[in-house]
Amino acid sequence: NAGVMQNPRHLVRRRGQEARLRCSPMKGHSHVYWYRQLPEEGLKFMVYLQKENIIDESGMPKERFSAEFPKEGPSILRIQQVVRGDSAAYFCASSPTGTEQETQYFGPGTRLLVL
Amino acid sequence: DQQVKQNSPSLSVQEGRISILNCDYTNSMFDYFLWYKKYPAEGPTFLISISSIKDKNEDGRFTVFLNKSAKHLSLHIVPSQPGDSAVYFCAAKVASGTYKYIFGTGTRLKVLA
Repeated sequence: NAGVMQNPRHLVRRRGQEARLRCSPMKGHSHVYWYRQLPEEGLKFMVYLQKENIIDESGMPKERFSAEFPKEGPSILRIQQVVRGDSAAYFCASSPTGTEQETQYFGPGTRLLVL
Repeated sequence: DQQVKQNSPSLSVQEGRISILNCDYTNSMFDYFLWYKKYPAEGPTFLISISSIKDKNEDGRFTVFLNKSAKHLSLHIVPSQPGDSAVYFCAAKVASGTYKYIFGTGTRLKVLA
């Protein structure tokens, strides 16, 4: 009964490289949310996806960041041309149906370090 | 603009005593609230939630109180145990029309044996 899985758990990139973060939701969950936690801050919403659809990307930076949740396979958060300010913990959460008062279950996070 | 605030970054409590973690919010449209616990190097784990139609919700040692007029909620842990030592985040959402949680900055609880 696996929970939300994220990989890699740690990722080191040099400035200008690309970072790809993967998230496999809990079994039976078709709704995925990405959050970012900067040091000493709370988690901040980035994007909400259902299979093959982006529902809400109001928290995503307009440039360099993109997300997808294909019909098959994990959800991917992609950061192009990373900068030092992208260093953070990125958490993925999932829920079964996306209804309004449904609890989101979080993965262990990917810690991105940009050198 | 921090819509959900946890003004105490840390709290120390003796084992067996009550832990009270506080959270204030500014957006009167919030009507669903949650508490998550987070250990280092792990993701947040759901603890307990409350809808704005209630003022109290209890689950074992954990009770959440909501005071809508004061825009304040609190999490009570009784009795506190060393395994409760973690960072606690409160989160809020507008129940209709959005799916994103707004998180506070967290309170680090240390339960002393």
